Amino acid sequence: GAGVSQSPSNKVTEKGKDVELRCDPISGHTALYWYRQRLGQGLEFLIYFQGNSAPDKSGLPSDRFSAERTGESVSTLTIQRTQQEDSAVYLCASSLGGGQGNQPQHFGDGTRLSIL
Amino acid sequence: AQTVTQSQPEMSVQEAETVTLSCTYDTSESDYYLFWYKQPPSRQMILVIRQEAYKQQNATENRFSVNFQKAAKSFSLKISDSQLGDAAMYFCAYAAGTYKYIFGTGTRLKVLA
Repeated sequence: GAGVSQSPSNKVTEKGKDVELRCDPISGHTALYWYRQRLGQGLEFLIYFQGNSAPDKSGLPSDRFSAERTGESVSTLTIQRTQQEDSAVYLCASSLGGGQGNQPQHFGDGTRLSIL
Repeated sequence: AQTVTQSQPEMSVQEAETVTLSCTYDTSESDYYLFWYKQPPSRQMILVIRQEAYKQQNATENRFSVNFQKAAKSFSLKISDSQLGDAAMYFCAYAAGTYKYIFGTGTRLKVLA
Protein backbone atom coordinates (compact mmCIF):
# COMPACT_ATOMS: atom_id res chain seq x y z
CA GLY A 1 0.00 0.00 0.00
CA ALA A 2 0.93 3.68 -0.06
CA GLY A 3 3.54 5.01 2.29
CA VAL A 4 3.44 8.13 4.46
CA SER A 5 2.57 11.12 2.31
CA GLN A 6 3.53 14.69 3.15
CA SER A 7 2.59 17.94 1.47
CA PRO A 8 3.80 20.31 0.32
CA SER A 9 7.19 18.93 -0.60
CA ASN A 10 8.73 22.37 -0.37
CA LYS A 11 7.41 25.59 1.13
CA VAL A 12 8.97 29.03 0.92
CA THR A 13 7.35 31.79 2.90
CA GLU A 14 8.09 35.16 4.38
CA LYS A 15 8.93 35.68 8.00
CA GLY A 16 5.82 36.29 10.06
CA LYS A 17 3.46 34.25 7.89
CA ASP A 18 1.63 31.15 9.11
CA VAL A 19 2.26 27.78 7.45
CA GLU A 20 0.41 24.49 7.55
CA LEU A 21 2.07 21.17 6.79
CA ARG A 22 0.12 18.02 6.08
CA CYS A 23 0.80 14.36 6.78
CA ASP A 24 -1.16 11.34 5.56
CA PRO A 25 -0.05 8.26 7.52
CA ILE A 26 -0.09 4.68 6.30
CA SER A 27 -3.60 3.29 6.49
CA GLY A 28 -4.13 1.40 9.73
CA HIS A 29 -1.25 3.05 11.56
CA THR A 30 -2.55 4.41 14.83
CA ALA A 31 0.59 6.28 15.86
CA LEU A 32 1.82 9.42 14.14
CA TYR A 33 4.90 11.53 14.83
CA TRP A 34 6.29 14.87 13.72
CA TYR A 35 10.01 15.61 13.72
CA ARG A 36 12.11 18.61 12.79
CA GLN A 37 15.46 18.17 11.06
CA ARG A 38 17.68 21.21 10.84
CA LEU A 39 20.38 21.28 8.21
CA GLY A 40 23.12 18.78 8.97
CA GLN A 41 21.51 17.62 12.19
CA GLY A 42 19.57 14.65 13.47
CA LEU A 43 15.85 14.39 14.07
CA GLU A 44 14.21 16.41 16.82
CA PHE A 45 10.96 15.00 18.21
CA LEU A 46 8.05 17.44 18.11
CA ILE A 47 4.75 15.68 18.82
CA TYR A 48 3.18 12.21 18.99
CA PHE A 49 -0.41 11.08 18.41
CA GLN A 50 -1.68 7.64 19.37
CA GLY A 51 -5.29 6.81 18.55
CA ASN A 52 -7.68 8.89 20.60
CA SER A 53 -5.26 9.46 23.45
CA ALA A 54 -4.07 12.93 24.38
CA PRO A 55 -1.06 13.79 22.20
CA ASP A 56 2.43 14.15 23.61
CA LYS A 57 3.32 17.73 22.76
CA SER A 58 6.47 17.84 24.86
CA GLY A 59 8.75 18.42 21.88
CA LEU A 60 7.03 21.48 20.47
CA PRO A 61 9.61 24.29 20.71
CA SER A 62 7.20 27.17 21.31
CA ASP A 63 3.52 28.06 21.43
CA ARG A 64 3.76 29.12 17.78
CA PHE A 65 3.76 25.41 16.95
CA SER A 66 0.62 23.30 17.08
CA ALA A 67 -0.61 20.08 15.54
CA GLU A 68 -3.87 18.31 15.09
CA ARG A 69 -4.94 14.88 14.01
CA THR A 70 -8.41 13.71 13.12
CA GLY A 71 -8.90 10.21 14.49
CA GLU A 72 -6.28 7.93 12.98
CA SER A 73 -5.92 9.81 9.72
CA VAL A 74 -4.47 13.06 8.48
CA SER A 75 -2.42 15.34 10.68
CA THR A 76 -1.52 18.98 10.20
CA LEU A 77 1.38 20.82 11.79
CA THR A 78 0.86 24.58 11.98
CA ILE A 79 3.56 27.13 12.60
CA GLN A 80 2.32 30.63 13.32
CA ARG A 81 4.30 33.83 12.82
CA THR A 82 7.19 31.94 11.28
CA GLN A 83 10.77 32.88 12.17
CA GLN A 84 13.94 32.20 10.22
CA GLU A 85 15.01 29.60 12.77
CA ASP A 86 11.93 27.56 11.79
CA SER A 87 13.65 26.77 8.48
CA ALA A 88 14.12 23.00 8.43
CA VAL A 89 12.79 19.77 7.01
CA TYR A 90 9.69 18.62 8.85
CA LEU A 91 9.31 14.84 8.80
CA CYS A 92 6.23 12.85 9.61
CA ALA A 93 6.24 9.17 10.54
CA SER A 94 3.61 6.60 11.40
CA SER A 95 3.62 3.18 13.01
CA LEU A 96 1.33 0.39 14.10
CA GLY A 97 0.34 0.54 17.75
CA GLY A 98 2.58 2.56 20.03
CA GLY A 99 5.73 2.30 17.98
CA GLN A 100 7.66 0.87 20.86
CA GLY A 101 10.61 -0.39 18.92
CA ASN A 102 8.96 -3.59 17.79
CA GLN A 103 6.75 -1.51 15.52
CA PRO A 104 9.17 0.61 13.50
CA GLN A 105 8.35 4.10 12.37
CA HIS A 106 7.80 4.65 8.66
CA PHE A 107 8.68 8.09 7.37
CA GLY A 108 7.41 10.41 4.67
CA ASP A 109 9.62 12.44 2.35
CA GLY A 110 9.30 15.51 4.53
CA THR A 111 8.46 19.13 3.86
CA ARG A 112 11.39 21.50 3.37
CA LEU A 113 10.37 24.80 4.92
CA SER A 114 12.35 27.91 4.05
CA ILE A 115 11.64 31.20 5.81
CA LEU A 116 12.87 34.29 3.99
CA ALA B 1 19.46 10.25 30.01
CA GLN B 2 19.74 8.13 26.94
CA THR B 3 22.02 9.38 24.21
CA VAL B 4 23.09 8.14 20.80
CA THR B 5 26.46 9.13 19.38
CA GLN B 6 27.69 8.81 15.83
CA SER B 7 31.29 9.98 15.84
CA GLN B 8 31.85 9.86 12.07
CA PRO B 9 30.25 12.85 10.33
CA GLU B 10 31.32 11.54 6.94
CA MET B 11 32.68 8.30 5.49
CA SER B 12 33.74 7.27 1.99
CA VAL B 13 33.89 3.83 0.46
CA GLN B 14 34.90 2.52 -2.92
CA GLU B 15 32.17 0.82 -4.89
CA ALA B 16 32.07 -2.95 -4.14
CA GLU B 17 34.09 -2.49 -0.94
CA THR B 18 32.93 -2.84 2.66
CA VAL B 19 32.38 0.01 5.09
CA THR B 20 31.46 0.12 8.79
CA LEU B 21 29.56 2.97 10.39
CA SER B 22 29.88 3.42 14.13
CA CYS B 23 27.22 4.11 16.74
CA THR B 24 27.42 4.11 20.51
CA TYR B 25 24.65 4.76 22.98
CA ASP B 26 24.15 5.26 26.64
CA THR B 27 21.29 3.70 28.60
CA SER B 28 20.49 2.05 31.89
CA GLU B 29 17.75 -0.04 30.34
CA SER B 30 18.23 -3.73 29.67
CA ASP B 31 15.56 -4.14 27.03
CA TYR B 32 15.49 -1.83 24.05
CA TYR B 33 15.66 -1.62 20.27
CA LEU B 34 18.29 -0.17 18.01
CA PHE B 35 17.83 0.91 14.42
CA TRP B 36 19.76 2.09 11.43
CA TYR B 37 17.87 4.41 9.09
CA LYS B 38 19.05 5.58 5.69
CA GLN B 39 18.14 9.03 4.38
CA PRO B 40 18.96 9.53 0.68
CA PRO B 41 18.71 12.95 -0.98
CA SER B 42 14.99 12.29 -1.44
CA ARG B 43 14.80 12.90 2.34
CA GLN B 44 12.68 9.85 3.14
CA MET B 45 14.03 7.95 6.14
CA ILE B 46 14.17 4.27 5.26
CA LEU B 47 14.57 1.57 7.89
CA VAL B 48 17.66 -0.46 7.03
CA ILE B 49 17.94 -2.84 9.94
CA ARG B 50 16.68 -3.35 13.49
CA GLN B 51 18.18 -5.10 16.50
CA GLU B 52 16.42 -6.21 19.66
CA ALA B 53 18.70 -5.92 22.64
CA TYR B 54 17.67 -9.22 24.19
CA LYS B 55 18.76 -11.08 21.07
CA GLN B 56 22.38 -12.14 21.02
CA GLN B 57 22.46 -12.77 17.31
CA ASN B 58 23.41 -9.84 15.13
CA ALA B 59 20.72 -8.75 12.69
CA THR B 60 21.36 -9.12 8.96
CA GLU B 61 19.48 -7.80 5.93
CA ASN B 62 21.12 -8.79 2.66
CA ARG B 63 24.30 -6.66 2.34
CA PHE B 64 23.64 -4.90 5.65
CA SER B 65 24.63 -6.37 8.98
CA VAL B 66 25.24 -5.07 12.47
CA ASN B 67 27.82 -5.73 15.13
CA PHE B 68 25.89 -5.37 18.37
CA GLN B 69 28.03 -5.29 21.48
CA LYS B 70 25.61 -4.85 24.37
CA ALA B 71 28.17 -4.59 27.12
CA ALA B 72 30.11 -1.97 25.19
CA LYS B 73 26.86 -0.24 24.12
CA SER B 74 28.03 -0.29 20.54
CA PHE B 75 25.91 -0.85 17.44
CA SER B 76 27.86 -0.57 14.19
CA LEU B 77 26.50 -1.06 10.68
CA LYS B 78 28.48 -2.96 8.07
CA ILE B 79 27.65 -2.48 4.41
CA SER B 80 29.18 -5.10 2.14
CA ASP B 81 29.66 -4.82 -1.62
CA SER B 82 28.84 -1.10 -1.49
CA GLN B 83 26.75 0.27 -4.32
CA LEU B 84 26.28 3.80 -5.61
CA GLY B 85 22.71 3.70 -4.33
CA ASP B 86 24.00 3.27 -0.79
CA ALA B 87 25.15 6.89 -0.74
CA ALA B 88 23.04 8.64 1.90
CA MET B 89 22.92 9.91 5.45
CA TYR B 90 22.74 7.05 7.93
CA PHE B 91 21.13 7.58 11.32
CA CYS B 92 21.41 5.31 14.31
CA ALA B 93 18.38 5.35 16.63
CA TYR B 94 17.39 3.92 20.01
CA ALA B 95 14.02 3.16 21.57
CA ALA B 96 13.25 1.67 24.98
CA GLY B 97 9.67 1.00 26.01
CA THR B 98 8.58 4.28 24.49
CA TYR B 99 7.66 5.75 21.16
CA LYS B 100 10.33 8.41 21.51
CA TYR B 101 13.18 7.38 19.32
CA ILE B 102 16.51 9.00 20.08
CA PHE B 103 18.49 9.66 16.94
CA GLY B 104 22.20 10.24 16.44
CA THR B 105 23.45 13.15 14.36
CA GLY B 106 24.08 10.99 11.32
CA THR B 107 26.96 9.84 9.12
CA ARG B 108 27.11 10.89 5.50
CA LEU B 109 28.28 7.99 3.35
CA LYS B 110 29.85 8.69 -0.02
CA VAL B 111 30.30 5.84 -2.47
CA LEU B 112 33.11 6.35 -4.99
CA ALA B 113 32.84 4.82 -8.44
